[in-house]
Amino acid sequence: AQSVTQPDIHITVSEGASLELRCNYSYGATPYLFWYVQSPGQGLQLLLKYFSGDTLVQGIKGFEAEFKRSQSSFNLRKPSVHWSDAAEYFCAVGGGGATNKLIFGTGTLLAVQP
Amino acid sequence: DAMVIQNPRYQVTQFGKPVTLSCSQTLNHNVMYWYQQKSSQAPKLLFHYYDKDFNNEADTPDNFQSRRPNTSFCFLDIRSPGLGDAAMYLCATREGRVYNEQFFGPGTRLTVL
Repeated sequence: AQSVTQPDIHITVSEGASLELRCNYSYGATPYLFWYVQSPGQGLQLLLKYFSGDTLVQGIKGFEAEFKRSQSSFNLRKPSVHWSDAAEYFCAVGGGGATNKLIFGTGTLLAVQP
Repeated sequence: DAMVIQNPRYQVTQFGKPVTLSCSQTLNHNVMYWYQQKSSQAPKLLFHYYDKDFNNEADTPDNFQSRRPNTSFCFLDIRSPGLGDAAMYLCATREGRVYNEQFFGPGTRLTVL
């Protein structure tokens, strides 16, 4: 079955510390992978995406993610977290095709300590 | 700026009173999606349109319907809202003729009294 797992429901980091959010997927075909961020009461904003090519992708706000096919993972990283990064982060996988339905993980809520 | 707009941002309705949520887009995307997101959960796809073709998810309750009168607009109708329908409703769009991401609106927070 197709699924996305985000093992960490809630993470707290100190401002300026590095961050890694984990994402594992199960998908039968070539996955298209996304990370979205959602601030409280807001919609989802795309941070970055992976379709093909270089397995290390750069996104907005200083985020990057690495696709590791052998581990079925697409972890999100940031070298130095800012207080404004506090939000919920969703990993998603899509299979392409005309309608590109996304399968979302359950999300990781990031808190940033001063 | 091209964008996805949802109105209203907050909607309060009474139990059983029909409500309509609106989504419009200036991106000229041919695919539009409606998601339901309950507190601390991932978005759940309700249905989507590819051009005028409507695609309902198998587990979407009959209480939820949608209309897409033209490319720019899409509506979500909840015929008889129950307390369990209180949620954030997200609209998203995508250009279906190429492969790319979905663009989300800011959402409508629905409260059912």
